[in-house]
Amino acid sequence: ETGVTQSPTHLIKTRGQQVTLRCSSQSGHNTVSWYQQALGQGPQFIFQYYREEENGRGNFPPRFSGLQFPNYSSELNVNALELDDSALYLCASSSPGSWSYEQYFGPGTRLTVT
Amino acid sequence: ILNVEQSPQSLHVQEGDSTNFTCSFPSSNFYALHWYRWETAKSPEALFVMTLNGDEKKKGRISATLNTKEGYSYLYIKGSQPEDSATYLCAPRPPGSARQLTFGSGTQLTVLP
Repeated sequence: ETGVTQSPTHLIKTRGQQVTLRCSSQSGHNTVSWYQQALGQGPQFIFQYYREEENGRGNFPPRFSGLQFPNYSSELNVNALELDDSALYLCASSSPGSWSYEQYFGPGTRLTVT
Repeated sequence: ILNVEQSPQSLHVQEGDSTNFTCSFPSSNFYALHWYRWETAKSPEALFVMTLNGDEKKKGRISATLNTKEGYSYLYIKGSQPEDSATYLCAPRPPGSARQLTFGSGTQLTVLP
């Protein structure tokens, strides 16, 4: 069973640019959530995708957007990057049949905005 | 927005010591509590999911208790080992929250050999 994978591992962008981060969910999982972890804080929920539709969103501006594909992989897009967007971005997938809604995390993408 | 507090923020213990830390959360509107362990440069790893008041879970030397009436959970590590060094995160979840987790800032544990 393949776990959750994310790409790239690290990324450096300039303020104002756009970035796309990618996530492949664990086999059999149709739900993907994205989280942002800033230094010294716990991960904060950005949004979730279920069967290619957004299924819940945290307190993030519209320049954070996402997609989910038929194979349940997902992308996180951030437009007009700001310095405060520098963080670790985690994705997590979950199983539709899990009563606990347990989420399985990838290793994250470290984004640095200069 | 849930207010989740974890204490202490960081902790250093000697190998062999037992330790515990706390997760506090609003007791109203509770459905489940998740505990994760996160080692540096790795993915967060699920430890426990707890739902019932008085629930106790155990995984090897790590155990957790849950008090939903007063809104707290304790995580215990018995006989800490250097490989237990990690950040321990808790995340309460209200009902109908579309599987969204609200994490605390974590407790960073360092076990010194």
